[in-house]
Amino acid sequence: AQSVSQHNHHVILSEAASLELGCNYSYGGTVNLFWYVQYPGQHLQLLLKYFSGDPLVKGIKGFEAEFIKSKFSFNLRKPSVQWSDTAEYFCAVRSGGYQKVTFGTGTKLQVIP
Amino acid sequence: GAVVSQHPSRVICKSGTSVKIECRSLDFQATTMFWYRQFPKQSLMLMATSNEGSKATYEQGVEKDKFLINHASLTLSTLTVTSAHPEDSSFYICSAREGGELFFGEGSRLTVL
Repeated sequence: AQSVSQHNHHVILSEAASLELGCNYSYGGTVNLFWYVQYPGQHLQLLLKYFSGDPLVKGIKGFEAEFIKSKFSFNLRKPSVQWSDTAEYFCAVRSGGYQKVTFGTGTKLQVIP
Repeated sequence: GAVVSQHPSRVICKSGTSVKIECRSLDFQATTMFWYRQFPKQSLMLMATSNEGSKATYEQGVEKDKFLINHASLTLSTLTVTSAHPEDSSFYICSAREGGELFFGEGSRLTVL
């Protein structure tokens, strides 16, 4: 069965600091990888996704993630965070051919002005 | 992006009663919808996959007689929590896939007294 680990449960950063959130998954076959964000009081929404091709994926709002197959990782990065990035971030994986998506436990990011 | 709407967003009920939560895809048709449950400080847990016109597929450990799912049309899936108990209190989220991407409802917070 697929599983997803997010190592940081709560991250506090000052504005303009760089962000990296870790995500590791366990599944040996083809995977689709996602990062979702949930702003306070809002729906979950997709930040970025990786299906195939260039392992460095760029998403909305300046976020990017790198798929490293050998490390089973899909870490999320942003060079300079803003107060508006305060939210909860979820990594998710869908293994090839299956519909269901498995989520990590989420990371709460708090950006201090 | 596509819009998925859930209703109600919050519901409080007495122990032993049943509660129905609706999930609608507003601008697209969804043959498949997914129901998740989120406990505090935990990940989204897939409960079941709702298939239009057929029986839902439940994940291991989810009681199908307790969590009744009906997907009567291409735009509506309902989750009924039957004979609710305090341990059923949780945040329930539905999602539907459109164009390979999952879109989420705003979630429904159920509190069972």
